[in-house]
Amino acid sequence: GQQVMQIPQYQHVQEGEDFTTYCNSSTTLSNIQWYKQRPGGHPVFLIQLVKSGEVKKQKRLTFQFGEAKKNSSLHITATQTTDVGTYFCAGPGYGGATNKLIFGTGTLLAVQP
Amino acid sequence: NAGVMQNPRHLVRRRGQEARLRCSPMKGHSHVYWYRQLPEEGLKFMVYLQKENIIDESGMPKERFSAEFPKEGPSILRIQQVVRGDSAAYFCASSRPGALISGNTIYFGEGSWLTVV
Repeated sequence: GQQVMQIPQYQHVQEGEDFTTYCNSSTTLSNIQWYKQRPGGHPVFLIQLVKSGEVKKQKRLTFQFGEAKKNSSLHITATQTTDVGTYFCAGPGYGGATNKLIFGTGTLLAVQP
Repeated sequence: NAGVMQNPRHLVRRRGQEARLRCSPMKGHSHVYWYRQLPEEGLKFMVYLQKENIIDESGMPKERFSAEFPKEGPSILRIQQVVRGDSAAYFCASSRPGALISGNTIYFGEGSWLTVV
């Protein structure tokens, strides 16, 4: 079945260092969405990418969608303690499952002050 | 998103009891999704509903679990005869009408944490 994997599973950084999480889908995605979940919290929508090769920025966060629309990345510049949480990518299912979002395995980011 | 309302936020049930989780979608949203998150794991799709209609329940366990979204009132996820393995966070999400492949997106409620003792 369709799988969406993320690496790394866990990353621990010092405050001020950069961070990147990579998302890889076993199938081509029509679009990709990113969510952040704080410890004990709920997933919060961050952004959506639609076009092949698209790059979007939100302050210190840079999101990329691969040319083949099967992978994506999230890069955080100069991490802060408020960036702590798990970052999930998600894409619509394919075939008969286009009405649900398939979530990646997530990357847990820990930031040491 | 605070607009999706879930209750209860925390629920403790003994093995064999029933758990009912409720979800009211954001205003203007007619599609509801339920996801389950086991401790230290990702989000697993359970079911997708529109008013009075289950569209996709491919992620629902075959037994003990059911979901509904009546014409009036919230969506309800019902778990009968709970077991310890049902302990998890259950997130509801909602979206406007429109296909996810067309760029529609979903917004989550704050979740219901079920603990089975």
